[in-house]
Amino acid sequence: QQPVQSPQAVILREGEDAVINCSSSKALYSVHWYRQKHGEAPVFLMILLKGGEQKGHEKISASFNEKKQQSSLYLTASQLSYSGTYFCGTEIGETSGSRLTFGEGTQLTVNP
Amino acid sequence: DAGVIQSPRHEVTEMGQEVTLRCKPISGHNSLFWYRQTMMRGLELLIYFNNNVPIDDSGMPEDRFSAKMPNASFSTLKIQPSEPRDSAVYFCASSLYRVGAQPQHFGDGTRLSIL
Repeated sequence: QQPVQSPQAVILREGEDAVINCSSSKALYSVHWYRQKHGEAPVFLMILLKGGEQKGHEKISASFNEKKQQSSLYLTASQLSYSGTYFCGTEIGETSGSRLTFGEGTQLTVNP
Repeated sequence: DAGVIQSPRHEVTEMGQEVTLRCKPISGHNSLFWYRQTMMRGLELLIYFNNNVPIDDSGMPEDRFSAKMPNASFSTLKIQPSEPRDSAVYFCASSLYRVGAQPQHFGDGTRLSIL
């Protein structure tokens, strides 16, 4: 079951904040976040495990709401380098080792 | 450390020809994934291996597609015969399979065009 990402696209000015959401209809074990720039491979950002943890990576952080089966990616004080397509990948079940299913992606554009 | 290495980077061939894509995972990683990315279907998992054993091949489109992992450092994805609708970017990714979710590291991909 493919997770649903929202919004599909967002345009920001440098320094603005954005939130990208990823929802699943299935109980999740983990949520993975990746960023892909045009013509390049997806690059790993972070993983969140069930348990409602929040993680941070410089000015990019994420949370996982187990009750809602939803993860949110927070980009604060956006930089030009944040532009790209953000994908969430979800792993269902009780343990790791199963397949990742990726959402359709959110295209983020940061303008000067 | 070397990342996931895929070859070729680009492949252009005519319909009906056999295509073989190659992948060398990160040393020490024991899970390997083949993905296909298109505008229409996004990033979809074709097959994955744990410890060289295929675990889930439900994403393989049809019998024209086959994948092998003869050892821990090499995998192939073969399409025979190829069709124009197979045109896509094919990514290989590897990770460390153990308790707890692990990140997948992607190769640069093979851009395949079937004419």
